Amino acid sequence: SAVISQKPSRDICQRGTSLTIQCQVDSQVTMMFWYRQQPGQSLTLIATANQGSEATYESGFVIDKFPISRPNLTFSTLTVSNMSPEDSSIYLCSVGTAQQYFGPGTRLTVL
Amino acid sequence: EDQVTQSPEALRLQEGESSSLNCSYTVSGLRGLFWYRQDPGKGPEFLFTLYSAGEEKEKERLKATLTKKESFLHITAPKPEDSATYLCAVQAILGGATNKLIFGTGTLLAVQP
Repeated sequence: SAVISQKPSRDICQRGTSLTIQCQVDSQVTMMFWYRQQPGQSLTLIATANQGSEATYESGFVIDKFPISRPNLTFSTLTVSNMSPEDSSIYLCSVGTAQQYFGPGTRLTVL
Repeated sequence: EDQVTQSPEALRLQEGESSSLNCSYTVSGLRGLFWYRQDPGKGPEFLFTLYSAGEEKEKERLKATLTKKESFLHITAPKPEDSATYLCAVQAILGGATNKLIFGTGTLLAVQP
């Protein structure tokens, strides 16, 4: 299984600002995924990031709000833009095909 | 619409008291069903993958089973360290190449000594 790290592990941000979350994997992977886990709700896929192509966003998520970069096969970033309190959540990246392995998550609080 | 429902939402057991968690799903075509364990403040930890009805997987005190409509996670003689949230997810066979997981809301298990 892959070893996945995320930075930051947690942050408290002001409304209207942006935060970039980093995801680093210890091996080269084709697909990386970004999920959101809101309090009391299930994990929801935000987008799939493939190296060398534009990210594919799920219904309800747009690139202007959640821009994603995938510069190489071991790294990706997710930016949460123009944040509001509703963006307070845990953001997780994952990798894998048949089964997915998750990073430790980034706990974001927006005031 | 593909959907996953887990029950119960929360379960409290005494140490050694066996029980089962349920995961009901509706999916256009099942590629795989996954069980994860999530501890507070951590990402989900992969437990099992099941691919077809009748399949079973075991790991220590946990056993996962699959039918065409639901999956069970059986916990035999649980210990306090089994306390966690257990998540179920399905991966559907879609038209394109995607590995999207659809998650349930989880079952919060507390095992008391």
